Amino acid sequence: GENVEQHPSTLSVQEGDSAVIKCTYSDSASNYFPWYKQELGKRPQLIIDIRSNVGEKKDQRIAVTLNKTAKHFSLHITETQPEDSAVYFCAASRVGSGGGADGLTFGKGTHLIIQP
Amino acid sequence: GAGVSQSPRYKVAKRGQDVALRCDPISGHVSLFWYQQALGQGPEFLTYFQNEAQLDKSGLPSDRFFAERPEGSVSTLKIQRTQQEDSAVYLCASSQGPTYGYTFGSGTRLTVV
Repeated sequence: GENVEQHPSTLSVQEGDSAVIKCTYSDSASNYFPWYKQELGKRPQLIIDIRSNVGEKKDQRIAVTLNKTAKHFSLHITETQPEDSAVYFCAASRVGSGGGADGLTFGKGTHLIIQP
Repeated sequence: GAGVSQSPRYKVAKRGQDVALRCDPISGHVSLFWYQQALGQGPEFLTYFQNEAQLDKSGLPSDRFFAERPEGSVSTLKIQRTQQEDSAVYLCASSQGPTYGYTFGSGTRLTVV
């Protein structure tokens, strides 16, 4: 099955600086890579996702890059703000393969701390 | 509804009790997923429904876990003879289909004592 590794487990950055979180996956058939933000005691919320037919996607201060050859993808947050403090999870799956979608396999999460 | 609704929000069960957790997905969402999230960990896949059909139950940890979605909307996750290791947050998510992003519910925090 799929295995997703996420690094670092904790990341502390100064407000206004950039943050980068990296994930690797093992299943070359995986084709869908979402990122979720989870605040303490709350539900995971989808912040951005990328499919294997593109290499990069951007949404305002958030971007995701995908390297299919190396089987890794990264989340980039620029101009960080205090409200960006949360746990971020990467995930991978192979959706649309017919016969039902595999569930998402999540990384263990990165606790992002924005220092004022 | 406006979002994915889960009930109860919190559940305390004595070891050996059976519990039933409910998920009400977004209206019209055909895909429904259950995940288990232990403290400080990422969610782990349990099972997946497309409409009323359970297409993947490979993540259910034992035969004490059972899920159903008989009419293709509301789903129930049942855990029989609960054990302490079942203590976790159980998250439900739904989507318009297998190629769309999920919306998660707020989860049910199960504590087995």
